[in-house]
Amino acid sequence: GQNIDQPTEMTATEGAIVQINCTYQTSGFNGLFWYQQHAGEAPTFLSYNVLDGLEEKGRFSSFLSRSKGYSYLLLKELQMKDSASYLCAAMDSNYQLIWGAGTKLIIKP
Amino acid sequence: GAVVSQHPSWVICKSGTSVKIECRSLDFQATTMFWYRQFPKQSLMLMATSNEGSKATYEQGVEKDKFLINHASLTLSTLTVTSAHPEDSSFYICSARGRTDTEAFFGQGTRLTVV
Repeated sequence: GQNIDQPTEMTATEGAIVQINCTYQTSGFNGLFWYQQHAGEAPTFLSYNVLDGLEEKGRFSSFLSRSKGYSYLLLKELQMKDSASYLCAAMDSNYQLIWGAGTKLIIKP
Repeated sequence: GAVVSQHPSWVICKSGTSVKIECRSLDFQATTMFWYRQFPKQSLMLMATSNEGSKATYEQGVEKDKFLINHASLTLSTLTVTSAHPEDSSFYICSARGRTDTEAFFGQGTRLTVV
């Protein structure tokens, strides 16, 4: 079956770095997405990886290893506003998104 | 990025009534629209996918007669929750994807409360 695993909750300190891991198993693969979702709001797009390697976008970076079915989202210089849920989603061979349950990130001062 | 507008943002309705939620792509043609529901502290659950010119494909366990989806045009999709009950109270989110896009853009979401 298709499955996405990511930690339920993580805690980090303002100004620090945090890495949120995601493993996936899908029928075919057409890329891995990361979304940020604040409570009560719709998700907002952060990154898309389809090739192996690291993609950097400002304070956020995303990594993909297709052979390992593994991705991570790296957040640097954490700010209080980064407190949110981070959703990992893999696109299968039908171009459908398979969603993880989300990782709730708590930032402490 | 592309903009998807979802309306209303929140709605309260009486049990037994129907509620329509609109999802519009403002600056691109949405060949595929997705409708999700999300319960508190849970992930998005795909309800149905609608492609241009064809009927919506519903996920297992989603009643198509209760959740009516109309992909009326390349810029508009509607979800109607018919005969709503308190257990239908949830956060409903649409997303839209263009023909050449891999990314789907999300609407703002609609919080439905059935009393």
